[in-house]
Amino acid sequence: KQEVTQIPAALSVPEGENLVLNCSFTDSAIYNLQWFRQDPGKGLTSLLLIQSSQREQTSGRLNASLDKSSGRSTLYIAASQPGDSATYLCAATAGGANSKLTFGKGITLSVRP
Amino acid sequence: GAGVSQSPSNKVTEKGKDVELRCDPISGHTALYWYRQSLGQGLEFLIYFQGNSAPDKSGLPSDRFSAERTGGSVSTLTIQRTQQEDSAVYLCASSWGWGARYEQYFGPGTRLTVT
Repeated sequence: KQEVTQIPAALSVPEGENLVLNCSFTDSAIYNLQWFRQDPGKGLTSLLLIQSSQREQTSGRLNASLDKSSGRSTLYIAASQPGDSATYLCAATAGGANSKLTFGKGITLSVRP
Repeated sequence: GAGVSQSPSNKVTEKGKDVELRCDPISGHTALYWYRQSLGQGLEFLIYFQGNSAPDKSGLPSDRFSAERTGGSVSTLTIQRTQQEDSAVYLCASSWGWGARYEQYFGPGTRLTVT
């Protein structure tokens, strides 16, 4: 059974700092790994999706990497801003016909002005 | 529609009552997923639809939970005889097809509180 872990549960950084959010998974036979953002009281917004054949994906100030062999993914946020404050979740997909997502519990990020 | 919609956005119910949660997927999306987000448990898969059929119900926590989908579109998640542990945010997602290569798009969720 796939287990996804995100540590720490919360992080507070000053504005402008570059930061890395970590995600680990137990079963390396994943199809893809996805990073989401969740604002309080809101649904999930997809940030980046990395296919198993890829090593990284980039969107603006965000870069996500995937290392299947070590069971790890990282989300790098450059030049953090207060508007980046949210909960960031990673989720793994096993593949096959059913692409249900297995989520980590998320990292709540606070960027201080 | 522009995105996945869910109703109601908030629902407060008394223990023992039945509730129905609705999900309207993005038009044309054939796959639909229900997830539950509760404090301490994170986000958990409940059930998945391909068209109107549900090949994977493995995440439903008990037989008090059921879901259906009609016309390949709207889905309803029903919780019978609600318990306090059912309090959570219920999220729905849809995708163009079934299979891991199709990205899932999430709705805003329904916050259920059982008193």
